[in-house]
Amino acid sequence: DAMVIQNPRYQVTQFGKPVTLSCSQTLNHNVMYWYQQKSSQAPKLLFHYYDKDFNNEADTPDNFQSRRPNTSFCFLDIRSPGLGDAAMYLCATSRGDGDGEQYFGPGTRLTVT
Amino acid sequence: GQNIDQPTEMTATEGAIVQINCTYQTSGFNGLFWYQQHAGEAPTFLSYNVLDGLEEKGRFSSFLSRSKGYSYLLLKELQMKDSASYLCAVDLNNAGNMLTFGGGTRLMVKP
Repeated sequence: DAMVIQNPRYQVTQFGKPVTLSCSQTLNHNVMYWYQQKSSQAPKLLFHYYDKDFNNEADTPDNFQSRRPNTSFCFLDIRSPGLGDAAMYLCATSRGDGDGEQYFGPGTRLTVT
Repeated sequence: GQNIDQPTEMTATEGAIVQINCTYQTSGFNGLFWYQQHAGEAPTFLSYNVLDGLEEKGRFSSFLSRSKGYSYLLLKELQMKDSASYLCAVDLNNAGNMLTFGGGTRLMVKP
């Protein structure tokens, strides 16, 4: 019955080695979001897709990219992870029709060694 | 910029009542959400207020005053499992219904 699925739940990568995190949803929602959350901090929005329209937050580093090949899937690519990129990465979805509730996946905890 | 403030930490006793406040100043407003987040887990939806007043849902209630830019989450009959972070988030009423989150309030419930 999982609605927003993230894989893997835990990811370890080396400094500078590209890594991809994935998210899928069974809700058929229009909007998908990627957040970065560091320990004891609020989730910080990196970018979101409204259907195929990509929206980047102004302060999201260029090191972070995203792809949404279809409604169900969205990927977060970190091109050259640094130690400061170690965090929980949360994927969320919403209908985008004025109902602002967002549904979160379980998150992927990224460790950079 | 967007500004959402809530206390960093609170402590309460099992069985008691606790109120977590949130004040906001945002460029848009289409409602305010409260989410609960246990350590290492994703946020889960608790409540949504878009009109002034109190919304009650079991042990949890949420209040909104739009004129004051103020909300609170009220937790009654506290249980140990209520120990978590509580995130206040504002829907900015823009395309994509983006949420801006406060820093979260870490609630510790003691026996």
